[in-house]
Amino acid sequence: DTGVSQDPRHKITKRGQNVTFRCDPISEHNRLYWYRQTLGQGPEFLTYFQNEAQLEKSRLLSDRFSAERPKGSFSTLEIQRTEQGDSAMYLCASSLGVFSGRYGTGELFFGEGSRLTVL
Amino acid sequence: SQQGEEDPQALSIQEGENATMNCSYKTSINNLQWYRQNSGRGLVHLILIRSNEREKHSGRLRVTLDTSKKSSSLLITASRAADTASYFCATGPTSGSRLTFGEGTQLTVNP
Repeated sequence: DTGVSQDPRHKITKRGQNVTFRCDPISEHNRLYWYRQTLGQGPEFLTYFQNEAQLEKSRLLSDRFSAERPKGSFSTLEIQRTEQGDSAMYLCASSLGVFSGRYGTGELFFGEGSRLTVL
Repeated sequence: SQQGEEDPQALSIQEGENATMNCSYKTSINNLQWYRQNSGRGLVHLILIRSNEREKHSGRLRVTLDTSKKSSSLLITASRAADTASYFCATGPTSGSRLTFGEGTQLTVNP
């Protein structure tokens, strides 16, 4: 049973460097989400894809952040010119896009996260 | 910004006791979900309650939803040490597809 996988699990980088995270969702899921979580806080929404289309993007996502899902399968989240404030856990989740309409978004399946430390 | 606010922020109980966590939210929702997170791990979905439902059960979990008060509660009965984790409520909007999470309740169950 392959769930959502994220790579790398841990990344330590120096301020100013670029980093990229990869997420492989559950294969039949057409929706993919990125969240950011800092210690002691709940996950904060960053962006969401349905297939390859990026449909929502948080105002939290500055110009230094970009996400792609080129073929509607895996996704990458790139952070350019990292800052110490970017240190967080970056969580990816996927879902089946059938739970729509009146009852909204259904269950999200999360990966284990990619922890970023910016020195 | 966070939609939900969980209460209490932290809860410590003995094994066998019941644990109740509350969640309040601000805007209209289609559904409300509860997730669990063990330290340093990803979130795991526990239960979903739709906006037209008032109560739902799953094993030792009982969730209630009061849309007039914009609040929900999660009850874990007969708690176990393995229930120690952070619990988050998440709201699904009436339009759009993002889930918005609260700040979480840290539950500690002492053996």
